[in-house]
Amino acid sequence: EAGVVQSPRYKIIEKKQPVAFWCNPISGHNTLYWYLQNLGQGPELLIRYENEEAVDDSQLPKDRFSAERLKGVDSTLKIQPAELGDSAVYLCASSPGLAGGHTDTQYFGPGTRLTVL
Amino acid sequence: GQNIDQPTEMTATEGAIVQINCTYQTSGFNGLFWYQQHAGEAPTFLSYNVLDGLEEKGRFSSFLSRSKGYSYLLLKELQMKDSASYLCAALDSNYQLIWGAGTKLIIKP
Repeated sequence: EAGVVQSPRYKIIEKKQPVAFWCNPISGHNTLYWYLQNLGQGPELLIRYENEEAVDDSQLPKDRFSAERLKGVDSTLKIQPAELGDSAVYLCASSPGLAGGHTDTQYFGPGTRLTVL
Repeated sequence: GQNIDQPTEMTATEGAIVQINCTYQTSGFNGLFWYQQHAGEAPTFLSYNVLDGLEEKGRFSSFLSRSKGYSYLLLKELQMKDSASYLCAALDSNYQLIWGAGTKLIIKP
């Protein structure tokens, strides 16, 4: 079974430029997460989707970050414009989203390492 | 506030046993996860505890005490490939994962 797929794996851009990340979750997984991870830190949730609905985007900096999950499968995360402080690894994760339960395990993609110059 | 505490770094010897501790303070509690993360790679699931006690899975075991807000991950018969960061994460009352900063485990021959 294929895992969570993310692209690109690496991205280098200049500040003020836009950037987009793509994620394809594990087939059949209803819940999708976008995280940001800085070196030596744990992941920080940006947004969580249940199917195509964003159910938790309280930590998403909405002035420059946006996300979408059309048709409840693939998702894209966009930053426009990027700032120096946005340099980090952006992780996508998915979980089955079991009906009636929220303790299902999250499975992570390899991440996109963003460097903003 | 919500908080997860775990040591920043630990060193152990190949073949030995190591215990990585984690204490948590969350608004409500719906279980605790341990993940392994090799450098430059994604976190991978190791264990989930919601009831008190020890869960054993091969060389790895995880323990939970809900009354003490405490968990540990026990790694036996350490191998060089176990060198990684180990992340503790607690599920709060909103079913949001609160992550620790991770413990970097260094295995020496």
